[in-house]
Amino acid sequence: VQVVESGGGLVQPGGSLRLSCAASGFTFSTYAMSWVRQAPGKGLEWVSTLSGSGSVPYYVDSVKGRFTVSRDNSKNTLFLQMNSLRTEDTAVYYCARDSGGYSFDIWGQGTLVTVSS
Amino acid sequence: SYELTQPPSVSVSPGQTASITCSGHRLRDKYVCWYQQKPGQSPVLVIYQNTKRPSGIPERFSGSNSGNTATLTIGGTQAMDEADYYCQAWDSSPMCLFGGGTKLIVL
Repeated sequence: VQVVESGGGLVQPGGSLRLSCAASGFTFSTYAMSWVRQAPGKGLEWVSTLSGSGSVPYYVDSVKGRFTVSRDNSKNTLFLQMNSLRTEDTAVYYCARDSGGYSFDIWGQGTLVTVSS
Repeated sequence: SYELTQPPSVSVSPGQTASITCSGHRLRDKYVCWYQQKPGQSPVLVIYQNTKRPSGIPERFSGSNSGNTATLTIGGTQAMDEADYYCQAWDSSPMCLFGGGTKLIVL
């Protein structure tokens, strides 16, 4: 059971980036999945959650209208499309499985997103 | 907006009991979970639904939630337990919230 993130990198303010999270070892479509980020030297911040069917997304206020979460259950992959990026979006982005018990039981290794000119 | 408040740091001697608190309005009405994060590593779930331990988590980790405060207790603290600990809960929006994190120092 694991999730592996990819797609991070250096991007200029105002730019876009698409993160991916490949899941394996469990029935992906039956779990809600989330993105959680951690700015350098800071704490954890929830970004977004998407239901197993992909029909119900939730976002933290600071990314609403800029980030879009989606999933492809046929490919066991979660995505995060990030537009209009700001310097304050710089962070390690983790993909995490929602256990169904109001917690995240499986985390990836994270992918670093750096927004800088 | 709803907030979860944790002390920035807690110190404990090896073999003693460490208690890390997480405070929020009527927190008892929510399920609280706890994560351990060591430097350079991803978070690990150590307590969920207030009191439950995932498989593989040592029995010295326990949790409680009453009133406005949830507590993570580590009995017989070991040097390997030195890490950052985060509490987490969901509010009714729904929105997921994390506490600011507590650095556990074992000295």
